[in-house]
Amino acid sequence: GNSVTQMEGPVTLSEEAFLTINCTYTATGYPSLFWYVQYPGEGLQLLLKATKADDKGSNKGFEATYRKETTSFHLEKGSVQVSDSAVYFCALSPSSNTGKLIFGQGTTLQVKP
Amino acid sequence: NAGVTQTPKFRVLKTGQSMTLLCAQDMNHEYMYWYRQDPGMGLRLIHYSVGEGTTAKGEVPDGYNVSRLKKQNFLLGLESAAPSQTSVYFCASSYSNQGASRQPQHFGDGTRLSIL
Repeated sequence: GNSVTQMEGPVTLSEEAFLTINCTYTATGYPSLFWYVQYPGEGLQLLLKATKADDKGSNKGFEATYRKETTSFHLEKGSVQVSDSAVYFCALSPSSNTGKLIFGQGTTLQVKP
Repeated sequence: NAGVTQTPKFRVLKTGQSMTLLCAQDMNHEYMYWYRQDPGMGLRLIHYSVGEGTTAKGEVPDGYNVSRLKKQNFLLGLESAAPSQTSVYFCASSYSNQGASRQPQHFGDGTRLSIL
């Protein structure tokens, strides 16, 4: 079946540190891959997406590359800010035409000044 | 720009009570979804709808019912609430064109539900 596995959190970094949050997936066919971010007390917001192998999604300094050979979609940012503190979710949408999302368990990021 | 609006934001129920959560979107999206979020488990799909008048089961549908009588609204019902249904519920919607799997979902701010 389809599943998403994220690295365990919480992740605590100092401001301006490099961020990597690992995400691997299991899926049949050619899923689309997403990173969503959830700030405290809010719903999820799309951070970036990639819809085919070798695509790179990017937004607000965050990047992730769709790696079919390693079934991975790791999230990276070169220099984090305190305002990046949030919960990050990796998700996949199977290639069937229902748009359903399958989420990882989420990774909490805390950035300290 | 309202986007996706969920009502209510908070609710406390007693075991066995019933209630309906309302989701409304103003983006003319075809697809709508209900998820629940529990600690350490991410979001899990309860039910979804690919158009007005249609609904389908997701990963964890037991104990819930849904209706999509109007395109802009998607209702989630709990007929007899149980403590295991204590959770944060999120509604989302998305376009269907250009392949639904490629479209991002737009989320509401959630409903925090406690069952005593």
